[in-house]
Amino acid sequence: EPEVTQTPSHQVTQMGQEVILRCVPISNHLYFYWYRQILGQKVEFLVSFYNNEISEKSEIFDDQFSVERPDGSNFTLKIRSTKLEDSAMYFCASSPREVHQETQYFGPGTRLLVL
Amino acid sequence: AQKITQTQPGMFVQEKEAVTLDCTYDTSDQSYGLFWYKQPSSGEMIFLIYQGSYDEQNATEGRYSLNFQKARKSANLVISASQLGDSAMYFCAMRSNTGNQFYFGTGTSLTVIP
Repeated sequence: EPEVTQTPSHQVTQMGQEVILRCVPISNHLYFYWYRQILGQKVEFLVSFYNNEISEKSEIFDDQFSVERPDGSNFTLKIRSTKLEDSAMYFCASSPREVHQETQYFGPGTRLLVL
Repeated sequence: AQKITQTQPGMFVQEKEAVTLDCTYDTSDQSYGLFWYKQPSSGEMIFLIYQGSYDEQNATEGRYSLNFQKARKSANLVISASQLGDSAMYFCAMRSNTGNQFYFGTGTSLTVIP
């Protein structure tokens, strides 16, 4: 069964450093998403991406964040200058359609720790 | 704005018993979908079950069923015949036709006792 994959599974970085989180969505999906989950809290939407551009973003997704689909398979989230409060689990998700009946398929997550 | 409320931070259930996890939602949209995800301690999000706002019948998927009461705006998850492997966090989520994102509740931690 096809699945969303994410690398790395864990990342430790120093405050102020740049990190790139990588995702490979399910191959025939067209819509891609990033979410984050601070430890013990709910999952929060960051950004959605379709047709090589951002279609929606939350207030969390400020100028330090960017997303890119550098080739036909990868979908990346870049955090330019990490802050302590960026420590969280980051989930990538993909969906074949943008309708309310369609679930989003989540990757296993990248656990980011900013020191 | 969409909002999902899960009022039970933690629940315990005896193995082989049934358990109901509560979820209420708030939306002004007419078309929307309600989802439940399971998050084991390893962290991944596992899709369990979906209910559409226009579906007249409650959704079922194996041991999972969704008790959908549209007038009350509730979408409770029922797990029958609980197993030890059901111990996890459970998140209720909603997606509407007017937006791309999922809105998640704060989750319920379920512990199955042998």
